[in-house]
Amino acid sequence: EAQVTQNPRYLITVTGKKLTVTCSQNMNHEYMSWYRQDPGLGLRQIYYSMNVEVTDKGDVPEGYKVSRKEKRNFPLILESPSPNQTSLYFCASSPQGLRSWETQYFGPGTRLLVL
Amino acid sequence: QKEVEQNSGPLSVPEGAIASLNCTYSDRVSQSFFWYRQYSGKSPELIMSIYSNGDKEDGRFTAQLNKASQYVSLLIRDSQPSDSATYLCAVREAGTALIFGKGTTLSVSS
Repeated sequence: EAQVTQNPRYLITVTGKKLTVTCSQNMNHEYMSWYRQDPGLGLRQIYYSMNVEVTDKGDVPEGYKVSRKEKRNFPLILESPSPNQTSLYFCASSPQGLRSWETQYFGPGTRLLVL
Repeated sequence: QKEVEQNSGPLSVPEGAIASLNCTYSDRVSQSFFWYRQYSGKSPELIMSIYSNGDKEDGRFTAQLNKASQYVSLLIRDSQPSDSATYLCAVREAGTALIFGKGTTLSVSS
C-alpha cells in the first residue's frame, strides 16, 4: 500500500528538549515536504526536498532542520523546541514531473505540544 | 510575500444546493491550482487540479480558473452532508513551492 508514515503521531515535550519527527514514504518519490498547520494560519510549508541531499526552505523554516540522506526518509528536527512550535505537522511526498503535485500524498499528521 | 486568500467561512448550505468556494492569489506567474478537502483531524486530500483558464469538471465538482483576475473557485453541486469539511486552495508558483490558503469551512445541513 502506497503511504507516507509519520512518527510519533502525538508528542508532548518541554521547551528546549531536542526532538525528531520521522517521515517515511514507500513510493520512491523524489519530492518531500514538511508543513505545519495552525488555526487561522492554514497550512504553511517549512522545508522541502527535491531529492537526496537537496533541501530548501519553505515559508516558515525558523527553528527547524531537515535532512535527506535517503530517498524514502525526510526527518524534521527541532533542536530547541519552543511553545510557538506547538502545531499539527504534516509530511508529504510526490513524484518528480510536471504534474507531480496531482499525486502528492500526505502523511497522517503529528500533533506536537511544547510546554 | 505571495498570498492565497480564502474566506474562512463557515459557509453553510442546505443539502442538495450548490456550494461555491472562492480563492484569489497574488502571484501572477502561478502555474498550477489545486483544491484540497480536509476533514477535521485528518490530512488534506486532493480533489481537483486546474492549470488553464476555464472550467474543469469532475463529478459533482467544478473548478474554475481566471488567470487575468487571479481567481480560482470550486463549485460543489448537489452538496451532501459528507461534503462538510475545510476546503484548502493551493497555488504552485514557479519552482516547487506550494502555497496554501487558510481554508474555507463548509457545512452542509440535511
